[in-house]
Amino acid sequence: EPEVTQTPSHQVTQMGQEVILRCVPISNHLYFYWYRQILGQKVEFLVSFYNNEISEKSEIFDDQFSVERPDGSNFTLKIRSTKLEDSAMYFCASSGGLAGGQFFGPGTRLTVL
Amino acid sequence: SQQGEEDPQALSIQEGENATMNCSYKTSINNLQWYRQNSGRGLVHLILIRSNEREKHSGRLRVTLDTSKKSSSLLITASRAADTASYFCATVLLNYGGSQGNLIFGKGTKLSVKP
Repeated sequence: EPEVTQTPSHQVTQMGQEVILRCVPISNHLYFYWYRQILGQKVEFLVSFYNNEISEKSEIFDDQFSVERPDGSNFTLKIRSTKLEDSAMYFCASSGGLAGGQFFGPGTRLTVL
Repeated sequence: SQQGEEDPQALSIQEGENATMNCSYKTSINNLQWYRQNSGRGLVHLILIRSNEREKHSGRLRVTLDTSKKSSSLLITASRAADTASYFCATVLLNYGGSQGNLIFGKGTKLSVKP
């Protein structure tokens, strides 16, 4: 069964460093999302991406964040200058349609020291 | 209540018993989805119910939706120790709230099934 994959599974970085989190969505899906979950808290929406552009972003998704679909398969989230409060689990999700279910990857645990 | 709020926060049952978790929301929805998350792991999509549906089944899962009460329930029948996880409801707003269908999650119900 097709699934969303994410790499790395765990990333440790120093405050102020740039990180790139990578995702490979399900191949025939058209809608892509990033969410994050700070330990013990709700899953929060960051950004949605469709037709090679951002469709919507939350207040969390400030100028430090960017997304890209550099080729036909990868979908990346970049944090330019990480802060301690960026430490969280980051989930990528994809969907075949707006009315369909979203399928999540296993997540990348980002630890900012 | 917030958009997507589960009840109870924690539930502990014996293997073989049924587990019922509830979700309430504030704003009209397009659909509601239930997810499972094992500790520290990813989110597994369980079931999606659309706003014009009242009940859906998938294996041992039964989901109901009452749009007049803005609530949903997830029933797991004949629970197993492997069902131990956190369960989240997530809503997609009606007309997608002008969005591309992003999900609004609740805080989840932590289910513990004892063997």
